[in-house]
Amino acid sequence: DGGITQSPKYLFRKEGQNVTLSCEQNLNHDAMYWYRQDPGQGLRLIYYSQIVNDFQKGDIAEGYSVSREKKESFPLTVTSAQKNPTAFYLCASSGPGETQYFGPGTRLLVL
Amino acid sequence: LAKITQPISMDSYEGQEVNITCSHNNIATNDYITWYQQFPSQGPRFIIQGYKTKVTNEVASLFIPADRKSSTLSLPRVSLSDTAVYYCLVGGPFRNQGGKLIFGQGTELSVKP
Repeated sequence: DGGITQSPKYLFRKEGQNVTLSCEQNLNHDAMYWYRQDPGQGLRLIYYSQIVNDFQKGDIAEGYSVSREKKESFPLTVTSAQKNPTAFYLCASSGPGETQYFGPGTRLLVL
Repeated sequence: LAKITQPISMDSYEGQEVNITCSHNNIATNDYITWYQQFPSQGPRFIIQGYKTKVTNEVASLFIPADRKSSTLSLPRVSLSDTAVYYCLVGGPFRNQGGKLIFGQGTELSVKP
């Protein structure tokens, strides 16, 4: 069963805590992306990676970090520097055609 | 970067054809146009993509005029399950070292019985 998986579905963060959101794909896609969505808003790009061991900042990278050690995986860490982390986080991947396919999302809430 | 404008909301009835128009005046030569559907608390689902003229698949059609400054997503005979937010995206290939997808604010389509 091919696709993109994100975990956990819900995540709670305490003040000053770093949390990591998981994104895995078995579509053999080179490119992967992280977006943030706030209530009633469109998606905003946080980071993207076109190939393993390489990634680029998107429009709202401050307070976030990523790694791309494997083709299948693109974890996102929300650091304590992100002062307003409550949002719906979406991971996507794309192949040669560059159409992006999205995962089910992770909702991050602050305690 | 292209600025995306689409209606905030639209209402329709079951069985009707729905047309959602997106304005993207500053679209670049390399940019293509993509539409996604999103249900609450789910990831967006790809609907259709095009560069110019008309594209049709099993769920929708996409009409793009010659100047490419706008595009229209056409959903034939909508049902209640088509109630969702529809996003228009414009962007160029990431592989071209700078291409970036721009999301519009989305159109909330409500289909009534």
